[in-house]
Amino acid sequence: AQSVAQPEDQVNVAEGNPLTVKCTYSVSGNPYLFWYVQYPNRGLQFLLKYITGDNLVKGSYGFEAEFNKSQTSFHLKKPSALVSDSALYFCAVRDGGSQGNLIFGKGTKLSVKP
Amino acid sequence: DGGITQSPKYLFRKEGQNVTLSCEQNLNHDAMYWYRQDPGQGLRLIYYSQIVNDFQKGDIAEGYSVSREKKESFPLTVTSAQKNPTAFYLCASSGQGYTGELFFGEGSRLTVL
Repeated sequence: AQSVAQPEDQVNVAEGNPLTVKCTYSVSGNPYLFWYVQYPNRGLQFLLKYITGDNLVKGSYGFEAEFNKSQTSFHLKKPSALVSDSALYFCAVRDGGSQGNLIFGKGTKLSVKP
Repeated sequence: DGGITQSPKYLFRKEGQNVTLSCEQNLNHDAMYWYRQDPGQGLRLIYYSQIVNDFQKGDIAEGYSVSREKKESFPLTVTSAQKNPTAFYLCASSGQGYTGELFFGEGSRLTVL
């Protein structure tokens, strides 16, 4: 069965510092991986995805993610955090082998302080 | 602009009443989904539909019902059988098969008094 884990409930970063939000996954086939962001009382917004190819994926708002097959990870990164990046971030995975539904992690709350 | 529209944004109902949440999309997507979000639990799949007139149960379908009579519409009914209906409900659609991302509506917050 496919699953995704976000080991940190909350990440605190100072504005201007780099940020990392962690995600690990488990699938039986090739993984299709996604990151979304959610602001309070809003829907989820798509940031980026990994399907195949280059392990470093660039997305919206300056975010990027690194796919690491050996560590089964897909961490979200940004070189310089903004206060406006404060939000809830979700990692999601779909098992390309079984073509199942998208499975979401429990979310990581990112707090960026000025 | 293309997108997904959920209504109402906020809804209050008495215990024992059925409630229907609306979801409309103009993205020409085949697949539509309903998720439930509770604090600290991420998103859980209620129902999904890959094509008109067909839908499947997700992980937490008990106490919910859906219909898919039109490609653009996928309403969700929260029935009185749902034991804990107070939650934030999110509708999504996808049009690129299994590699495509989901597009989400703005959500509907249901509070049962």
